[in-house]
Amino acid sequence: KAGVTQTPRYLIKTRGQQVTLSCSPISGHRSVSWYQQTPGQGLQFLFEYFSETQRNKGNFPGRFSGRQFSNSRSEMNVSTLELGDSALYLCASRRRGGGVVDTQYFGPGTRLTVL
Amino acid sequence: GQQLNQSPQSMFIQEGEDVSMNCTSSSIFNTWLWYKQDPGEGPVLLIALYKAGELTSNGRLTAQFGITRKDSFLNISASIPSDVGIYFCAGQFIGNQFYFGTGTSLTVIP
Repeated sequence: KAGVTQTPRYLIKTRGQQVTLSCSPISGHRSVSWYQQTPGQGLQFLFEYFSETQRNKGNFPGRFSGRQFSNSRSEMNVSTLELGDSALYLCASRRRGGGVVDTQYFGPGTRLTVL
Repeated sequence: GQQLNQSPQSMFIQEGEDVSMNCTSSSIFNTWLWYKQDPGEGPVLLIALYKAGELTSNGRLTAQFGITRKDSFLNISASIPSDVGIYFCAGQFIGNQFYFGTGTSLTVIP
């Protein structure tokens, strides 16, 4: 079974631009979560989507947004990029059935560099 | 958001030595996961734990779900150079998001 895939793997943008990252979950997984990872802050939870609805949200400004499509694929958008947005953005998927414990799997990440 | 307390923060060990690390939380969890991350890559799942007291092995790795449901432990036996990386714990209460530890950086000296 194919794992979580993320595109692109690397991205270079300049301040003020916007960026869209894509994530395809493992087949059969309906939940997609996004994380930001930086050396100083570690893994920070951005948001989780399940059945095309945002279910959980971390403490990030409104410049960070996401969406999920009917095939469970998800996109994350960051508008008005700042230097501090440079990070590894990780997507993770899980099956997520009501009341069922499950396991989360990560993609390889998108390395975003803001100049 | 909540972060789990993971210790030690870093470890430098000789090849062949055993390694222990742990993770504690102020909240109870129903699931504990342990991941390993190599530089520039996404975390790879090592072990998943679903029941208090559960002890699970994956090769040279053994992890335990604490009885209080507020902690978990990971042991690596007979470390080898490819064990180098950052190890993360993650906890979850059913239906909620996963919370992550701050990571343990492991260096294995040949």
